[in-house]
Amino acid sequence: QFALTQPASVSGSPGQSITISCTGTSSDVGGYDYVSWYQQHPGKAPKLIIYEVIHRPSAVSNRFSGSKSGNTASLTISELQAEDEAEYYCFSYTTSSARVFGGGTKVTVL
Amino acid sequence: QVHLVESGGGVVQPGRSLRLSCTASGFTFSNFAMHWVRQAPGKGLEWVALISYDGGEKFYADSVKGRSTISRDNSDSTLYLQMRSLRREDTAVYYCATSFYSTGPDYLDHWGPGTLVTVSS
Repeated sequence: QFALTQPASVSGSPGQSITISCTGTSSDVGGYDYVSWYQQHPGKAPKLIIYEVIHRPSAVSNRFSGSKSGNTASLTISELQAEDEAEYYCFSYTTSSARVFGGGTKVTVL
Repeated sequence: QVHLVESGGGVVQPGRSLRLSCTASGFTFSNFAMHWVRQAPGKGLEWVALISYDGGEKFYADSVKGRSTISRDNSDSTLYLQMRSLRREDTAVYYCATSFYSTGPDYLDHWGPGTLVTVSS
C-alpha cells in the first residue's frame, strides 16, 4: 500500500485560489469515486471537508471544492483565507478494500 | 452529537503489546463501520485498520497486518485495537474515526482527539 502522491506544499495570497492534487492509480483514486479530503490544523484531529470526490458537508465553506480526472483527484480552495492555513490529506478506497492516505500538503497563506 | 474518545495509549517497550479503546456516544454505534488511523510525530496520516458494523469484515494496513487485531463491542459502543510485537515505528497518535456507512467504500465522518502511543525502551 503506497501513499497517494500530493505536493508537499502549496502557497497563495489571501483571496487567491489554490489547487492540491492527489495522484494514485486505477486501483484506488482512478477506480472509485470514494476520494475524500481532510483538513488538519496543528495539534488537532483531522476534519472532513470533501467526500465522494465532489461533495461537501453542510458545515464546510463552499470555498472548498473537489474534482477528479483519471487517477488524479484535486482539492481547490478559492478566496484563500488565513484560517485555511493547515495540512490537507486525500484518502481513497482501494481494490483490496484497504484504504490509503496521501502524504499530505501544507498550505501556507502568504 | 457524535463523541469519540480514545484511551489506552502510553509508553511501552519494543516487543510488548498494547490495547487501545475508543468509546463512542451520540450515535447508533452498531450501524457504522469504524477505523483506526495513526500519525507518527511530525508525519502524515496513515490508515491502520477498519471493521464493519457487525465485525464481520476486517481490513488492515500492511504495516500492522499480523501484529494487530481490530474488534468492537456493539453492546458497549466501544472499538478496540490490540497491537502486538510493538516496534519503535509504531510510535504515533492513534485516532479512531467513524465511517459514514456500515460497510464497503466510505469516508471518515467523525474523529476522536487521539491517544499517543510511544514505543521506547
